[in-house]
Amino acid sequence: NAGVTQTPKFQVLKTGQSMTLQCAQDMNHEYMSWYRQDPGMGLRLIHYSVGAGITDQGEVPNGYNVSRSTTEDFPLRLLSAAPSQTSVYFCASSPSPSGVSYEQYFGPGTRLTVT
Amino acid sequence: AQKITQTQPGMFVQEKEAVTLDCTYDTSDQSYGLFWYKQPSSGEMIFLIYQGSYDEQNATEGRYSLNFQKARKSANLVISASQLGDSAMYFCAMRVRYGNNRLAFGKGNQVVVIP
Repeated sequence: NAGVTQTPKFQVLKTGQSMTLQCAQDMNHEYMSWYRQDPGMGLRLIHYSVGAGITDQGEVPNGYNVSRSTTEDFPLRLLSAAPSQTSVYFCASSPSPSGVSYEQYFGPGTRLTVT
Repeated sequence: AQKITQTQPGMFVQEKEAVTLDCTYDTSDQSYGLFWYKQPSSGEMIFLIYQGSYDEQNATEGRYSLNFQKARKSANLVISASQLGDSAMYFCAMRVRYGNNRLAFGKGNQVVVIP
């Protein structure tokens, strides 16, 4: 099992550009989520999905879109990049949306810089 | 809404000593799970330990133990016999059943182990 994979590892964008951060998991997990981590902060939830075709907003969704057409993939789209979106982005997955005991498995992260 | 508080400043710990990292939480849900994650300088998020709100015993995983005081809403992580590889950021997180099982993170505790 590769677990949770994210591409790219690093990305530099200019203000106004759009891009998609890729996330895939091979564990057949129903629950997937995207977080951003800024210096001095914990991880903040951007969007999450409880299954294919179902997504919802987290704590900081503005400027980001997601879709979940398959169980395996959960891409995060930046519509028009802004310097405030400079951050480290983590994708995570979990076996079930209905159990509090399930840990989330994290990808290695994508470091994004918007100039 | 669920909230996690980690307020300790960065800590220096002597190798082989124990260290306690504080975490308090706030939720009105009765069913919840508490997690600790480690983030070394390489950036990945590593799951350490889990405590369920209905668990009567404190969780232990090797050198990690969780001092769970439900009435005080505290879930402190204890690392025994610190090693140089324990130098990292440590995040406390909570998952509640009625929040679509979203994971809320604290801001983290920095630990540096010195020889």
